[in-house]
Parts: sequence; C-alpha cells; structure tokens
Amino acid sequence: AQKITQTQPGMFVQEKEAVTLDCTYDTSDPSYGLFWYKQPSSGEMIFLIYQGSYDQQNATEGRYSLNFQKARKSANLVISASQLGDSAMYFCAMREGKVRSGAGSYQLTFGKGTKLSVIP
Amino acid sequence: EAQVTQNPRYLITVTGKKLTVTCSQNMNHEYMSWYRQDPGLGLRQIYYSMNVEVTDKGDVPEGYKVSRKEKRNFPLILESPSPNQTSLYFCASSLQGKQYFGPGTRLTVT
Repeated sequence: AQKITQTQPGMFVQEKEAVTLDCTYDTSDPSYGLFWYKQPSSGEMIFLIYQGSYDQQNATEGRYSLNFQKARKSANLVISASQLGDSAMYFCAMREGKVRSGAGSYQLTFGKGTKLSVIP
Repeated sequence: EAQVTQNPRYLITVTGKKLTVTCSQNMNHEYMSWYRQDPGLGLRQIYYSMNVEVTDKGDVPEGYKVSRKEKRNFPLILESPSPNQTSLYFCASSLQGKQYFGPGTRLTVT
C-alpha cells in the first residue's frame, strides 16, 4: 500500500482564488511529520510547510495552510489567493518516527505529486 | 547563505562509465540523503546518512554507492551506470526532519 497518496494528478485554479491539494497518508507509527514541497518548472524543491503528528494546531505559513485531520489521515494543503507563480508541481511527504541505530529516522516518503496550474 | 550544492547540474554519459555526483551542505546537518525523481513516480530515496561514516539504503539503492567521510559532503557514485539510471537526482540535508534540497542533477545515460 502506498504510504502517501495524492489523488489529483492535475488541478486548475483561477488567480486570486483558494485551492486545496489533497494528501492522505498511511502509517501505524504514532510519531510522524508531514511536509509539502513545491517544485516549479525550474526543478528545485522548495519547502512550504510542516505538520507534526502531535501538533495541536494546523500549521500555517503565509498563504499556505495545512488542513490536518488525524483521524482521517489526511494533510491537505490550502493555498489562499492563488498567484500565477504558484503554478508548479506540489508534493506531499511523510517522515515516520522509526528508530534505527539509536537515532530517529528522517527518511521522507513522497507522493507522486499534483500539478497545479493557475489561470489568469 | 545556507545551501545544498550539487555538481554537476547536467551530465550525459555512456553505459558503464563510472561517475560521481557531489553534494555539499554548509549547515552542519547530520542527516543527508539522495533521491531520484522520475515522471509519475515522485521522489524515491536512494541512500541516506545519519552522520559521518553512517549510511543506509533507502528504497531504490541498487546500482548506487555513497560515502560520508565528512559531515558536509555526501557523494553519490554510479560504478557502472545503465540507461535505467537516467533521472533527476536530488541531494538533501536535514535538521529535525525538515529537508533542504540541492538544485538537482539531471543525468542521462546512453
């Protein structure tokens, strides 16, 4: 079974509108972290937002917010007031709190991504 | 400026010719890793390192080697590259789970 599922291969949004990118995850570990990265056409991976499994509040970073629903195992990214520069691939990723060799693991598992296109 | 650097950024090579992609970070991070990105598959981890002289396999380690002799450097070695290793490669370093990615190396093996 996939650990990270992004069900939307592509999405369109009108400029200045809000958009939600879906991400569901699968883990039996009580300690984990969820990340969203943006990859523009230039190719670099840009960190957007992080949510820890024990965080009480949903994470926010400027126009980005993470709608964390632990019971449903979902971590959707919400982008408010979309801009043309938001057109990119977006990846959801998870770090599970496995302990190896006496230290925490920081291995990230990525979803396959959602391509967001912002329309003027 | 805090950053992860990779070299080369682009490389075209032939089957069987050994190559090394270098990765360096200036943030004193203990954790470093290598990923490959292929269309429709997202990013998959190749190898990672928890600290100097400590490395471990990720999800797709076959055909790759790594070493971690210094904290800042984590080179990726392809001893005998094959066409199925044509991909976009990312190095990353991490502090408390947040990973900082290098700019990527686009490798083509003919």
